[in-house]
Amino acid sequence: AQSVAQPEDQVNVAEGNPLTVKCTYSVSGNPYLFWYVQYPNRGLQFLLKYITGDNLVKGSYGFEAEFNKSQTSFHLKKPSALVSDSALYFCAALDTGRRALTFGSGTRLQVQP
Amino acid sequence: SAVISQKPSRDICQRGTSLTIQCQVDSQVTMMFWYRQQPGQSLTLIATANQGSEATYESGFVIDKFPISRPNLTFSTLTVSNMSPEDSSIYLCSVSNNEQFFGPGTRLTVL
Repeated sequence: AQSVAQPEDQVNVAEGNPLTVKCTYSVSGNPYLFWYVQYPNRGLQFLLKYITGDNLVKGSYGFEAEFNKSQTSFHLKKPSALVSDSALYFCAALDTGRRALTFGSGTRLQVQP
Repeated sequence: SAVISQKPSRDICQRGTSLTIQCQVDSQVTMMFWYRQQPGQSLTLIATANQGSEATYESGFVIDKFPISRPNLTFSTLTVSNMSPEDSSIYLCSVSNNEQFFGPGTRLTVL
């Protein structure tokens, strides 16, 4: 069975500083990886995905993620954090057979002004 | 992209009652899913809603508790039956074409 791990419950960063939210995965076959963001009382919003190709994936709102096959990681990054980036972030892997997602436990990002 | 709506957006229910959540998609999709997000937790897949046949449930979820209908390629319902406070969660509908899209969720509180 596949799994996704987000080792940090919370990440704190000062506005303007770079941020990283960590994700590691365990899948059989080729990984299909996603990042989603959830704001309070709002639905899940898609940020970016890795299917194949370049290891650096660019997504919405200035976020990017780096796929590292040898470390089985897919860390989310942003060069300069905004207070409005404060939210709950989920990493997920697609089960290609069922076409459903397996989610990590989530990481709360807090950006301080 | 797919636009997904859910009804109701939230509800407060009494223990022992049942609630049916509706999910409507603005286009035909092959795969529809129901997820649960318990308070402070991640999302867990409940089942895959199959059009014209019985839903496929994940381990720990059963049809008697979470009956699902999928009468066509744009609509599905999830019923939470004989509710208890432990069923208080956000229930999300999701569809998969080439992307994975999520509905806004239904926030359920069981007293």
